[in-house]
Amino acid sequence: QSALTQPPSASGSPGQSVTISCTGTSSDVGGHNYVSWYQQHPGKAPKIIIYSVSKRPSGVPDRFSGSKSGNTASLSVSGLQAEDEANYYCISYAGGSNLVFGGGTKLTVL
Amino acid sequence: QLQESGPGLVKPSETLSLTCSVSGGSISTSPYYWGWIRQPPGKGLEWIGNIYYSGITYYNPSLKSRVTISVDTSKSQFSLKLNSVTAADTAVYYCARYYYYDSGTYYRYFDYWGQGTLVTVSS
Repeated sequence: QSALTQPPSASGSPGQSVTISCTGTSSDVGGHNYVSWYQQHPGKAPKIIIYSVSKRPSGVPDRFSGSKSGNTASLSVSGLQAEDEANYYCISYAGGSNLVFGGGTKLTVL
Repeated sequence: QLQESGPGLVKPSETLSLTCSVSGGSISTSPYYWGWIRQPPGKGLEWIGNIYYSGITYYNPSLKSRVTISVDTSKSQFSLKLNSVTAADTAVYYCARYYYYDSGTYYRYFDYWGQGTLVTVSS
């Protein structure tokens, strides 16, 4: 299966909002509601921030939200803070217990 | 907690072997699969495969011919073997817990990750 497409970079100033897209196909993103998003700071393991397209695990700030339209899922971060600067990855279930990953987006807080 | 262990240096054409030790809970808990993910230096994440405590496995089709994931429930460990390695297999290898299905609901996401271990393929 092909990787999901994410923009290589995104940026915003503190307090602003930013949205990161994750585009797949009808076989993965579009066909299932199992898109998850992960935040990874340099040298650290990824951390789950959104699962099942739009659900937040306990402890994740409500500044993070997820949505999906057709074959594209999106992660929105509102009220940007310095600690939000990190790499973000999407993962989608692709049927048959297969998973497909996005290439990652580096979020810079200006 | 999950903790990866194994050699940090592997020669080309040889087999990469890593083990993930699970503590703080049973590896035989039904809602979870256990997975391996890797990340080449400076690049993105790549799924390698998942295993259930019963031994059911699912592999990334692009790596399937070279990968074996196994589980030892008595030791609360699961393992990765990747054969015929090349420099392209140099990466940080993570083990992670995959929350699959619970009480009638599918979840399908990695909720806990190990810290990762760098494996370099070089002669």
